[in-house]
Amino acid sequence: LAKTTQPISMDSYEGQEVNITCSHNNIATNDYITWYQQFPSQGPRFIIQGYKTKVTNEVASLFIPADRKSSTLSLPRVSLSDTAVYYCLVGDIKSSGSARQLTFGSGTQLTVLP
Amino acid sequence: EAGVTQFPSHSVIEKGQTVTLRCDPISGHDNLYWYRRVMGKEIKFLLHFVKESKQDESGMPNNRFLAERTGGTYSTLKVQPAELEDSGVYFCASSHSGYNSPLHFGNGTRLTVT
Repeated sequence: LAKTTQPISMDSYEGQEVNITCSHNNIATNDYITWYQQFPSQGPRFIIQGYKTKVTNEVASLFIPADRKSSTLSLPRVSLSDTAVYYCLVGDIKSSGSARQLTFGSGTQLTVLP
Repeated sequence: EAGVTQFPSHSVIEKGQTVTLRCDPISGHDNLYWYRRVMGKEIKFLLHFVKESKQDESGMPNNRFLAERTGGTYSTLKVQPAELEDSGVYFCASSHSGYNSPLHFGNGTRLTVT
C-alpha cells in the first residue's frame, strides 16, 4: 500500500495561494493521486484527481512531477471557508477491485486567517 | 443529485447493546464502502460492496460487525454486541463503477458506546 506523508498543519491568510505537498515515494505504476477535503462533522469531499503532470478544475490544481513521488495541491486565493483538513490518497481501485488501499493518513489541517 | 445519506447521525448505546447503521448511496452507484475513524486515529477502510456482493471485507475488525447490502441498494452495518472501542465515526461512501471513480462520502454516524 502506498504510504503518504503530508504536513500536519498549515496556516494562510485570505486571498493567498496555498500549496500543500504530499510525498508518496512508493507509488505504483497504476496508482492515481486523489485529494479530499473534510470539514468538521462532515465526510471527506472529493477535490481533484490526477495521474501525472497537471490537472486543473474549478476549485484547485494538482501538480505531479515526472517521477510521481510527490504531488502538490494548489488552492488559489483561499477564503475562510477553505479551513479544513486536506487528505492525499494514493491507489488504484481497478487493479485490486478494492478501495482498501486508499489509506487516508493524518491529513493536513489548513487554517485560513482573516 | 442527492448525496450519500447516513442514519442516524448520532447514536449513544451501552456496552453490550446492538446498533444498526444505515447508508443510502447515490442512485446508480454500484460501489459502496464503509470506513470508520475511532478516536484520535485515521480514517480506516472496513469493507467494499459491488452491488450486493462483498468485494473486500478485510478491514472489518471482528465478527461483531456485520454488513449487508440488500438488493444492491442501501447498506446496513450492525455492531453486536457493541464494545467501548467501537466508539467513533462511521462513514459510508459510494462511487460509479468506472475506473478510479472518486468516492462520495456521507456525513457519517457518530457512535458512542458507554
